[in-house]
Amino acid sequence: EAQVTQNPRYLITVTGKKLTVTCSQNMNHEYMSWYRQDPGLGLRQIYYSMNVEVTDKGDVPEGYKVSRKEKRNFPLILESPSPNQTSLYFCASSLQRQTGQYFGPGTRLTVT
Amino acid sequence: QQQVKQSPQSLIVQKGGISIINCAYENTAFDYFPWYQQFPGKGPALLIAIRPDVSEKKEGRFTISFNKSAKQFSLHIMDSQPGDSATYFCAANLNAGKSTFGDGTTLTVKP
Repeated sequence: EAQVTQNPRYLITVTGKKLTVTCSQNMNHEYMSWYRQDPGLGLRQIYYSMNVEVTDKGDVPEGYKVSRKEKRNFPLILESPSPNQTSLYFCASSLQRQTGQYFGPGTRLTVT
Repeated sequence: QQQVKQSPQSLIVQKGGISIINCAYENTAFDYFPWYQQFPGKGPALLIAIRPDVSEKKEGRFTISFNKSAKQFSLHIMDSQPGDSATYFCAANLNAGKSTFGDGTTLTVKP
C-alpha cells in the first residue's frame, strides 16, 4: 500500500529535550515536506526537499532541522523544543513538483 | 508575496446545494494549484488540482475555476452531501517544492 508513515503519532516532552519525528514514504517520491498545522493558521511549510541531500527552508523553519540522506526518509529534528512548537505535524511527499502531495497521518506534539 | 488568502473561513450548505470556496494569490510564479480535503484526525488528501494554463477542471462533483488575470481560483462542490463535511485547503506551488496553503474552510453540509 502506497503510504507516508510518521512516528511517533503522539509525543509529550519537556522544554529543551531533543527529539526526532521520523517520516518515511514507499512511493519512490522525489519531493518531501514537513508542515505544522495550528488552529486558524492552515498548514505552514517548515522544510522541503526535492531530492537526496537537497533541502530548503519553508515559511517557518526556526527551531527545526531536517536531513535527507535517503530518498524514502525525511526526519524532522527539534534540537531544543519550546512550548511554541506544540502543534500537529504532517509529513508529505510527491512524485514531482506539479503533482499533489500525499500526507502522513500526523504527529501530535506537546512541549511542556 | 507568498500568501494565499482563502475565504470563507466556514460555510454551511444544505444537502444538494453548491459549495463555493475562494482563494486569491499574489505571486505570479505559482504554477500549480491543488485543493486538499481533510477530515478530523486525518492528514489532508488531494482532491483536485489545476495548472494556470487551464481555466477550469472538473472531476465528478468537484470543479476548479481558475482566473489567471485576477489571480484567483475557486472550488465548487456540486450536489453537496453530508459526507463532504470537512476542512478544505487551497494551495499554490512554486519551483523546487515550495508550497503555500490557505488557512482552510470548514464546510458543513446539513442533511
